Amino acid sequence: DIVMTQSHKFMSTSVGDRVSITCKASQDVSTAVAWYQQKPGQSPKLLIYSASYRYTGVPDRFTGSGSGTDFTFTISSVQAEDLAVYYCQQHYSTPPLTFGAGTKLELK
Amino acid sequence: QVQLQQPGAELVKPGASVKLSCKASGYTFTSYWMHWVKQRPGQGLEWIGEINPSNGRTNYNEKFKSKATLTVDKSSSTAYMQLSSLTSEDSAVYYCARDSYDFDYWGQGTTLTVSS
Repeated sequence: DIVMTQSHKFMSTSVGDRVSITCKASQDVSTAVAWYQQKPGQSPKLLIYSASYRYTGVPDRFTGSGSGTDFTFTISSVQAEDLAVYYCQQHYSTPPLTFGAGTKLELK
Repeated sequence: QVQLQQPGAELVKPGASVKLSCKASGYTFTSYWMHWVKQRPGQGLEWIGEINPSNGRTNYNEKFKSKATLTVDKSSSTAYMQLSSLTSEDSAVYYCARDSYDFDYWGQGTTLTVSS
C-alpha cells in the first residue's frame, strides 16, 4: 500500500499568512493526488485534483503543486474560514486508495 | 444539482449487521464509481472500497474485505454498504463519495453507533 505522510499534524497560522502543507508518498504516484478540506461536523470538500488543478469554485488562494513523491498545498493568504483539517489522497495505485493523516490548521 | 443523501444516524447492537444507504440524484448514477470512506471520531479518513454502479464491479481495501459488502440498486439510484459482525471498532461516520475529479461530491455521512 502507498503511504501518504503529512508530517505536520498541526500548523499554526495567522489571518493573512501564507501557509504550505506538505505530503510525501511512499512511492511514485505521478500527479494522482488530491487535497480535501474538512471542517468540524462537515464532509470533506475537494479543493485540488491531479496535484495542481483547482476544483470548480475553489478560491485562487488555494494552490497545489508537486509530482512523483512530494506534494505541497498552499494557501496564499489565510482567511478565518480556512481553519480546518486538510487531507492529501492518492489514487495512483489502488486498491487501496490512501489518505494522509491530516493537517489541522489553527490560529496562533 | 448533485446530491448524495445518507441517513444521519444508525444505532445497532454488537454482533449485528447494518446496511447503510446513499441515494444519488442530479446526475446519471451509472456513470460514476461510488466510494465509501470511514472516519472514526477525531481520526482521519479511511477508504473502504468502491463500486461501479453500471455493472456492480467492486474493489475493496483488503482491511475491509470481510467487513463490508457494496451493492447498488440502479432502479432507485442508491448505493448500499452492508457491514457485518459489528463491534465498537465499527462505530464511526461513514461517507459515500462520487468519483469524478477525484471525490467531487460527498454525502453528509451516517454516524453508526454500535452499542448494546
